[in-house]
Amino acid sequence: NAGVMQNPRHLVRRRGQEARLRCSPMKGHSHVYWYRQLPEEGLKFMVYLQKENIIDESGMPKERFSAEFPKEGPSILRIQQVVRGDSAAYFCASSPGTPWESGANVLTFGAGSRLTVL
Amino acid sequence: AQKVTQAQTEISVVEKEDVTLDCVYETRDTTYYLFWYKQPPSGELVFLIRRNSFDEQNEISGRYSWNFQKSTSSFNFTITASQVVDSAVYFCALSALLSSGSARQLTFGSGTQLTVLP
Repeated sequence: NAGVMQNPRHLVRRRGQEARLRCSPMKGHSHVYWYRQLPEEGLKFMVYLQKENIIDESGMPKERFSAEFPKEGPSILRIQQVVRGDSAAYFCASSPGTPWESGANVLTFGAGSRLTVL
Repeated sequence: AQKVTQAQTEISVVEKEDVTLDCVYETRDTTYYLFWYKQPPSGELVFLIRRNSFDEQNEISGRYSWNFQKSTSSFNFTITASQVVDSAVYFCALSALLSSGSARQLTFGSGTQLTVLP
């Protein structure tokens, strides 16, 4: 039973390029969260998605960042025109759904995608 | 606003010593959940425990124990007879209502780097 799968595990981009990070939630989970971990810091919430819907993106930078969770396929976090400050580990987490709205569910995290911007 | 403070940035102990990791939180919610996650050097996040705000019983799981004190807004984590494999970053987290009001997300502390020396 595969957990939350993220790829790539490591990604190197030059300034101005685009980065695409993928996340396949656990089987049976329909809710996906993206978090960012800057060096020496804790994780910060970015966006919460359900299939084909962005529920809350209050933690996403207003420009260059976007996320989607299509009906078929993985969730994708896209960063356009990357800058050095985007270098971080990006974690995806999933939950089975509604009970998380009350905080009851445990989020299962992937191993993270580490983006390095040169 | 929700906030989690882990005042200890780094702790070093010698194997077999006991060690306590501190966590202090702030929230206006009357119902909330607290979590501890472990991040070993490999980078993934491993769930350790969830506790809801109505359950102040301390919990013990093998060498791990947790002390939840609502009166002081603390949720401390103790490792008894530490081992080298316990070396990791440990994060305390609080479930917080998203600004959309639609669901909750985790607010993380900045983590405590625990090093257990042989």
